[in-house]
Amino acid sequence: RKEVEQDPGPFNVPEGATVAFNCTYSNSASQSFFWYRQDCRKEPKLLMSVYSSGNEDGRFTAQLNRASQYISLLIRDSKLSDSATYLCVVNTGNTPLVFGKGTRLSVIA
Amino acid sequence: DTEVTQTPKHLVMGMTNKKSLKCEQHMGHRAMYWYKQKAKKPPELMFVYSYEKLSINESVPSRFSPECPNSSLLNLHLHALQPEDSALYLCASSEGQGTYTFGSGTRLTVV
Repeated sequence: RKEVEQDPGPFNVPEGATVAFNCTYSNSASQSFFWYRQDCRKEPKLLMSVYSSGNEDGRFTAQLNRASQYISLLIRDSKLSDSATYLCVVNTGNTPLVFGKGTRLSVIA
Repeated sequence: DTEVTQTPKHLVMGMTNKKSLKCEQHMGHRAMYWYKQKAKKPPELMFVYSYEKLSINESVPSRFSPECPNSSLLNLHLHALQPEDSALYLCASSEGQGTYTFGSGTRLTVV
């Protein structure tokens, strides 16, 4: 089982749609969790950290379920500019961040 | 300064060339990383430096040689590369186990 698993997509959604990405991780000792966004031919950039209580940043909501070892990202009212690859990233403590393979999102006009 | 700066942005080199990639950060981060990323794949860890010392080498071929001259600089020396080494090379830094800040990368083509 891979350490961090994501649905690769692509997710093709119309503008204004709500889209959800899921991610599972295998190491129960994982300590912190992130979603990074990567545009085509650019570097990954931190979108948001993910906390057990759930957290929201504008149209983006992240959730963590430690019992199920599951992380999610919800994007509401999708914009064309949201088109990117979304990387689920996990920190297991003493090792570097572990990246999922990424989920591609295309928002269509 | 909240950036990681990488140079050059693009590099084309022959298989017999020697070149170096450079990375610089002035955020006081004590950990610095080299990643390799192929198209449509996630970043793949190559090396980790912690407090200027190499702490992780992910079994990277010796034709890639990292160097950390000081706490702000990280180099990747390249020699006798193969065409399959063509990729985006990303540098990142972090403070402890916190979030990583990535540079914009060097797009390397080996011909």
